[in-house]
Amino acid sequence: RKEVEQDPGPFNVPEGATVAFNCTYSNSASQSFFWYRQDCRKEPKLLMSVYSSGNEDGRFTAQLNRASQYISLLIRDSKLSDSATYLCVVFPPTGGYQKVTFGTGTKLQVIP
Amino acid sequence: DAGVIQSPRHEVTEMGQEVTLRCKPISGHNSLFWYRQTMMRGLELLIYFNNNVPIDDSGMPEDRFSAKMPNASFSTLKIQPSEPRDSAVYFCASSLGGATNTGELFFGEGSRLTVL
Repeated sequence: RKEVEQDPGPFNVPEGATVAFNCTYSNSASQSFFWYRQDCRKEPKLLMSVYSSGNEDGRFTAQLNRASQYISLLIRDSKLSDSATYLCVVFPPTGGYQKVTFGTGTKLQVIP
Repeated sequence: DAGVIQSPRHEVTEMGQEVTLRCKPISGHNSLFWYRQTMMRGLELLIYFNNNVPIDDSGMPEDRFSAKMPNASFSTLKIQPSEPRDSAVYFCASSLGGATNTGELFFGEGSRLTVL
């Protein structure tokens, strides 16, 4: 099993739709989780952190399910500008950077 | 404030040639990372420096790859000799470690390498 797995997509959704992505991780002791966004031919940028209690930022909601070892990202009222690849990032139990693992990303295409 | 600066942005070279990629991290950041991104494998960590010291280079593919960080404001990733399978986008990222660490990595715009 890969350390971090994501459905590559693409997810093609109409404007205004709600879309959700999941990301599973293999190390149950992992401590920190993040979602990054990467636009086409650009660098990844931090979108939001994922807290145990959940985290909401405007139209975006991130949640952690430790029992099932996955994190999720929910986007409500999708905009054309949300089209990008979304990467989940898992930090190791030690909290160090040595084994920070990026998922391969889920591609989202919002259609007019 | 300037972000992470990488050069060159694009490089096309022939198999066997030496390639040197450069990175200037954000001032004050004490952790620096080199990543490689391909469609097939996604983002792979090649090497990680903390306070200019290489901490983990287990991701470096083979002896053809080497990285240095002579000071807090500069790092290089060298490939010698280059091969077509090295074609990828190479990202440098930096982070502020320690107690204030939020886990955020700041990426440069990447160096797109094509080896013919």
